[in-house]
Amino acid sequence: DTAVSQTPKYLVTQMGNDKSIKCEQNLGHDTMYWYKQDSKKFLKIMFSYNNKELIINETVPNRFSPKSPDKAHLNLHINSLELGDSAVYFCASSPQGSYGYTFGSGTRLTVV
Amino acid sequence: AQTVTQSQPEMSVQEAETVTLSCTYDTSESDYYLFWYKQPPSRQMILVIRQEAYKQQNATENRFSVNFQKAAKSFSLKISDSQLGDAAMYFCAYRSAEGTYKYIFGTGTRLKVLA
Repeated sequence: DTAVSQTPKYLVTQMGNDKSIKCEQNLGHDTMYWYKQDSKKFLKIMFSYNNKELIINETVPNRFSPKSPDKAHLNLHINSLELGDSAVYFCASSPQGSYGYTFGSGTRLTVV
Repeated sequence: AQTVTQSQPEMSVQEAETVTLSCTYDTSESDYYLFWYKQPPSRQMILVIRQEAYKQQNATENRFSVNFQKAAKSFSLKISDSQLGDAAMYFCAYRSAEGTYKYIFGTGTRLKVLA
């Protein structure tokens, strides 16, 4: 029973296309996140939702748009994909309190 | 703004030996949490250990322990009796105790375990 599941695991697409990555958690956590891991393995937050409310919106191109239909789901839609968008995108969730995140297994996006 | 620094891009350890990975951070906050995550080649991010800043006692999880020095803003990870399965990228992360639960990650240390 996967706690945080992301789909797809791999995504290869051409420049200019629009794509979505989906994330679902069955842990009952209130907060969900999107992180981007670049080619040098650096992890940086992009967005966070708490109970469907956007609470973190870092400086990312507005081609990236998150959507949270309910607190168990957080999707990431990317318009007009560029070569520089190639990265691994991680979804994560956390409960209230001092506990750490539970991460999904990541989506490797390759833009060609 | 908070920062997290991992000054060792790569470390090697002999199987069954002990290795220490360094992490320093900068913050003006007094209450926060620190974490170590492991990322093996499978790409999955796995929580190894966490430390609450208000606790003086160093956290321990089986073969993994931390040396938390709050005044020095240092949070190192010690792995005892290293195993081949410990080979991975290790990330140190900081999180405020208040506000959003955003992590600030270090740049990671790649650990190689030699048989």
